[in-house]
Amino acid sequence: SAVISQKPSRDICQRGTSLTIQCQVDSQVTMMFWYRQQPGQSLTLIATANQGSEATYESGFVIDKFPISRPNLTFSTLTVSNMSPEDSSIYLCSAKPGQGAEQYFGPGTRLTVT
Amino acid sequence: GQQVMQIPQYQHVQEGEDFTTYCNSSTTLSNIQWYKQRPGGHPVFLIQLVKSGEVKKQKRLTFQFGEAKKNSSLHITATQTTDVGTYFCAGNTGNQFYFGTGTSLTVIP
Repeated sequence: SAVISQKPSRDICQRGTSLTIQCQVDSQVTMMFWYRQQPGQSLTLIATANQGSEATYESGFVIDKFPISRPNLTFSTLTVSNMSPEDSSIYLCSAKPGQGAEQYFGPGTRLTVT
Repeated sequence: GQQVMQIPQYQHVQEGEDFTTYCNSSTTLSNIQWYKQRPGGHPVFLIQLVKSGEVKKQKRLTFQFGEAKKNSSLHITATQTTDVGTYFCAGNTGNQFYFGTGTSLTVIP
C-alpha cells in the first residue's frame, strides 16, 4: 500500500492567480495521477505524471493550464494556472505501485476560486 | 464521453436491506476495480477483478465481473450505516482508465 499526503488541503484563491498543489507518497511508485472531482460527481483524470518526462494529458486538459512536475518517484506537483471560478473543485492525487495495480488516493485539495 | 456508467445514481435503503450497484462499460475491460468514497473523504480501493465471470467476496460485499468483461456488480448484504458512501467502479479499456459515474448509498437507521 501507499500513504499519500497533499498540500494544501484547501485554499481560496482569486481569479487570475495560480496555485501549486503538492503530492507526496511514502514509498516509490511507478505511476502518479491527478484527478479533478466536482462535489457529488465522479473523478475526471487530468493527467498522468511521468517521472523524468512530460506529463500525459487527457482530452480537455492542457499543459499551459495544468503544468505538472514529477522530479522523482515519490513526489509530484500540479499547478492550476490563471484560475477562474470554473476551476473550483477538489483536486486529487493518486499513485499506483505498478501497472494494473490499485490506486491509492491522497486526501484531496479543495480549491475555491472567487 | 463517459464510457463507464453505473446505476442507480442514488439509492436509499433501510438498514438491514440489501443493496446492489451495476457498472456497465461500452467496451471490454481488462480489469475492474471498485472504490468506496465516504462523504468528505477520498476514494478507497476495495477490490480488483480480472477474470471473466470472476466473483469475489469481502464479508457482506460480493463483487462480480461479467462474462463479457463489460459489466460488473457490487452487492452488499444487510446494509449497515457504515456502508454509507459513494461506490465507484473503475476499469481499464486499452490504455485508458475510467471511473464510473458512481452510486451514492444512503442507509436509513
